[in-house]
Amino acid sequence: EDQVTQSPEALRLQEGESSSLNCSYTVSGLRGLFWYRQDPGKGPEFLFTLYSAGEEKEKERLKATLTKKESFLHITAPKPEDSATYLCAVQARSNNDMRFGAGTRLTVKP
Amino acid sequence: GAVVSQHPSWVICKSGTSVKIECRSLDFQATTMFWYRQFPKQSLMLMATSNEGSKATYEQGVEKDKFLINHASLTLSTLTVTSAHPEDSSFYICSARSGTPTEAFFGQGTRLTVV
Repeated sequence: EDQVTQSPEALRLQEGESSSLNCSYTVSGLRGLFWYRQDPGKGPEFLFTLYSAGEEKEKERLKATLTKKESFLHITAPKPEDSATYLCAVQARSNNDMRFGAGTRLTVKP
Repeated sequence: GAVVSQHPSWVICKSGTSVKIECRSLDFQATTMFWYRQFPKQSLMLMATSNEGSKATYEQGVEKDKFLINHASLTLSTLTVTSAHPEDSSFYICSARSGTPTEAFFGQGTRLTVV
């Protein structure tokens, strides 16, 4: 069965303190790995799609990387507005749906 | 990114009544739509997957007679919670995708409270 595990569960950073969020996955043939940001009371906002090991994508202070077993979301010099829950999801080649991890709740203090 | 509109954003209903939630893809054709349920501080729990023009595929443990899903067109899917009870109170979110493999875009979510 496909599994997605995110760590840490919660992360508190000072403004400007860079860090990384982890998404470990087990899937029978990865079709795609997705990162989303979710603010309280809202639907997730799409950030990145990664398809193959070695792929990297960047957007402002965020950079996502992918290996055969895990993905990292690197946050460089975060700001308070980066505070949110970051969700990772995978889609297997064998089916149509997306499986989500539990998320990492990021808090950036000024 | 693509826009998915979900309506209503919140609803309060009496126990025993039915509630319909709409999910529309505004600027693309959604061949697949997903419905999720989310409890406070927890991740998204997939309820069902629907493809346009065919019956929805429900996840194990989700009552298909209670959570009716219709995906009648390439831009609209609806979730009807029938005979709602207080334990159905939750945050329901839809997402839509135009094909595979592509990312799915989410609606704003609907906060359902059954009193």
